[in-house]
Amino acid sequence: AQKVTQAQTEISVVEKEDVTLDCVYETRDTTYYLFWYKQPPSGELVFLIRRNSFDEQNEISGRYSWNFQKSTSSFNFTITASQVVDSAVYFCALSGLYNQGGKLIFGQGTELSVKP
Amino acid sequence: GAGVSQSPSNKVTEKGKDVELRCDPISGHTALYWYRQSLGQGLEFLIYFQGNSAPDKSGLPSDRFSAERTGGSVSTLTIQRTQQEDSAVYLCASSLVWGGSSYNEQFFGPGTRLTVL
Repeated sequence: AQKVTQAQTEISVVEKEDVTLDCVYETRDTTYYLFWYKQPPSGELVFLIRRNSFDEQNEISGRYSWNFQKSTSSFNFTITASQVVDSAVYFCALSGLYNQGGKLIFGQGTELSVKP
Repeated sequence: GAGVSQSPSNKVTEKGKDVELRCDPISGHTALYWYRQSLGQGLEFLIYFQGNSAPDKSGLPSDRFSAERTGGSVSTLTIQRTQQEDSAVYLCASSLVWGGSSYNEQFFGPGTRLTVL
């Protein structure tokens, strides 16, 4: 079975603080993809990153960075110097490549509130 | 180009009525997905289409739920005899193609908020 766990339901930080959102996954697939999506108050899911299971290199995009560790089945997301506009619900998701039709299995989401 | 569109954006219905939710995927996208986002259950997969066929319907919660896709484009999700627990935001996503050795990003629509009174 596939499962994604985001243990942090809500996080509140003050602007300019760094914040890390945790994501732990379970899968029996040897090939899979991991994702992070952002859902701002407007409601539409915005794609942030996709990571192939064979690529464990960390990635940085501006203030965003992702740490993929296969050994601990984790794919954590860090926002550096958070801003109010980062306030949103963030979802981690998993997709098996060959068996699942590409469907996404989502975690429960972490609601991030960045206060000025 | 145009993104995924869904209609209506909001739907309020009475318990027991049937509803139809529509999804227009991005032109040329052969894969289409329906998800449901509710307070108690988070974001759940419902059904997936490749072209007009649905290889995976495993997420449909009951036989009151059905979906079809015509012309490899528009999809309709139908809920019969709606119940209060069906209240949720129904999200549609499409991707260029699925299969083989690559994964194509899913683009999400704005969703339809369904409220069953």
